[in-house]
Amino acid sequence: DQQVKQNSPSLSVQEGRISILNCDYTNSMFDYFLWYKKYPAEGPTFLISISSIKDKNEDGRFTVFLNKSAKHLSLHIVPSQPGDSAVYFCAASLSRLTFGEGTQLTVNP
Amino acid sequence: NAGVTQTPKFRILKIGQSMTLQCTQDMNHNYMYWYRQDPGMGLKLIYYSVGAGITDKGEVPNGYNVSRSTTEDFPLRLELAAPSQTSVYFCASKRVVGAKTQYFGPGTRLLVL
Repeated sequence: DQQVKQNSPSLSVQEGRISILNCDYTNSMFDYFLWYKKYPAEGPTFLISISSIKDKNEDGRFTVFLNKSAKHLSLHIVPSQPGDSAVYFCAASLSRLTFGEGTQLTVNP
Repeated sequence: NAGVTQTPKFRILKIGQSMTLQCTQDMNHNYMYWYRQDPGMGLKLIYYSVGAGITDKGEVPNGYNVSRSTTEDFPLRLELAAPSQTSVYFCASKRVVGAKTQYFGPGTRLLVL
């Protein structure tokens, strides 16, 4: 039972444009959501998070949106930069973290 | 602070061999975790620990064992390696029960042939 799903294995965007990464979940009890970024041969690093009581959180170029009725969250990166090319994992928290499969973002110069 | 460190970076094992993956954190975090990541899959929780002397199973514990004798160290033991254990293993930690953010080590890539 995959409780957190990232349906797009990959996304390619041009430098300077917006990147939108999506994540769906099934368990309405999740109380916190996080996005992690992972470069090859490195561990995931925390990027941004949002509590289930909010619908938006912003940190510089990164914004996470939460739609609880749709059980959907998204990560917006504006403007996208080549250094943003990485795998992005969404994760949902209850007592533990449940991770999605990841989306490989490629930002082309 | 070095954060979370893992050794080795890469290892090849033969079927039936055993090994220990090492994980150390210097942030005085109470909670530590072991995950595995298979290609195209998210991270799956193997074992976790809420403090020295306390460990519990995660989603995929079969074939693994852990111990937590100190706050800093959380080794993962594979007793009889199988090809299905070929994966990348990540150790992570977080400070206290209410904290949501986990901090990850660089990973150990394991190949079982």
